[in-house]
Amino acid sequence: QVHLVQSGAEVKRPGASVKVSCKASGYNFAVSWMHWLRQAPGQGLEWMGWIHPDSGATEYAQKFQGRVTLTRDMSSSTVDMELSRLRSDDTAVYYCTRDFESRAFDPWGQGTLVSVSS
Amino acid sequence: DIVMTQSPLSLPVTPGEPASISCRSSQSLLYSNGHTYLHWYLQKPGQSPQLLIYWASTRASGVPDRFSGSGSATDFTLKISRVEAEDVGIYYCMQGLQTPYIFGQGTKLEIK
Repeated sequence: QVHLVQSGAEVKRPGASVKVSCKASGYNFAVSWMHWLRQAPGQGLEWMGWIHPDSGATEYAQKFQGRVTLTRDMSSSTVDMELSRLRSDDTAVYYCTRDFESRAFDPWGQGTLVSVSS
Repeated sequence: DIVMTQSPLSLPVTPGEPASISCRSSQSLLYSNGHTYLHWYLQKPGQSPQLLIYWASTRASGVPDRFSGSGSATDFTLKISRVEAEDVGIYYCMQGLQTPYIFGQGTKLEIK
């Protein structure tokens, strides 16, 4: 069974960085793109970027260019998402999700709440 | 960027009755491989989103057959033949054709 398990909630100050981890199991980690999305409180879903674990290739939404970095560790089947220069409007639940087919995302991690506050 | 527009945004439904959600994209989501890159997700209260329908009309594994997707190019519909209490949540359509991948605003289905 495919599972994505994310790291725990984080509280950060404005200007700091946060790193959220996503550990995959139950499938061939190398072959499926991994995407990151976020959901601000009471808001919809926003795509941030993807990484292909085998090659390490990445693509980021223009909105997050220069602030987000996706990396992977093949030995532990883990993808990390680091977001820098945090602002209060980065407060959101961050999700990792596997690209099952043609950007149909399945499954999703349980979500990680990142709170940014002074 | 492709714009995704859903309607209605709120959908109160009596259990056992059908429900329908519309999703429109600002450009065709048909790819050269013949697949349409329109997907539907459900986010139940307090949970992560889950995939319901991909390629506009293919049910994901484990999804009850009361859910169906239809449409082509720019106009799509998600139908629930008989709503059950467990179907409450927010339904999102999403285009997977080109980055940035964009979701509709979401349709909140509630039980009357």
